[in-house]
Amino acid sequence: QMTQSPSTLSASVGDRITITCRASQSVSSWLAWYQQKPGKAPELLIYKTSTLQSGVTSRFSGSGSGKEFNFTISSLQPEDFATYYCQQYNTYSAWTFGQGTKVEIK
Amino acid sequence: EVQLVESGGRLVEPGGSLRLSCAASGFTFRNYNMNWVRQAPEKGLEWISYISSSGRTIYYADSLKGRFTISRDNAKNSLYLQMNSLRDEDTAVYFCARDSSVAADFDHWGQGTLVTVSS
Repeated sequence: QMTQSPSTLSASVGDRITITCRASQSVSSWLAWYQQKPGKAPELLIYKTSTLQSGVTSRFSGSGSGKEFNFTISSLQPEDFATYYCQQYNTYSAWTFGQGTKVEIK
Repeated sequence: EVQLVESGGRLVEPGGSLRLSCAASGFTFRNYNMNWVRQAPEKGLEWISYISSSGRTIYYADSLKGRFTISRDNAKNSLYLQMNSLRDEDTAVYFCARDSSVAADFDHWGQGTLVTVSS
């Protein structure tokens, strides 16, 4: 189980924001973050907790270990307003997504 | 360029069956593990199935209770999802997604195909 918070986040352009995912058990470093815009497929942003996917802006960063992980946008840009999901791979050979965080314009 | 194109989604009655396809191009399909992920209307993402590059290892989400079957044809660069005994709650956009083979993440996704289960 992954508990992602907050479910909705209202922020302004230029703000620094952080989204948190908490796992019910340790997931080692198998934690990824995705961005999804309305009507589109998700896009991989970060894998293995903190590694930026090729071509993804360095405004995005990931951190954490064990059961608690964070995703941060250092300075929110207009194109960053979207829904973000964390994803874990666990030892039961299954993948679980967090519930999602919708980042809205304040 | 990596491309994944899903097809086969449509309106189907409860209890019916459907087979989804995902056509892959732009990479060596037989070298990659693949997944199906779905998203119900206005809901979050739900992983539903994984198949290894050879097809020998398969996993399913517990919630499917044996109703879905994943398969692949490496000669045709295609991934499939056979869905049986469909229920209203199976209504969703179904995405195929490539496993990056680096860290259990999905690095490329198709655009999705909509399955609507309704009488």
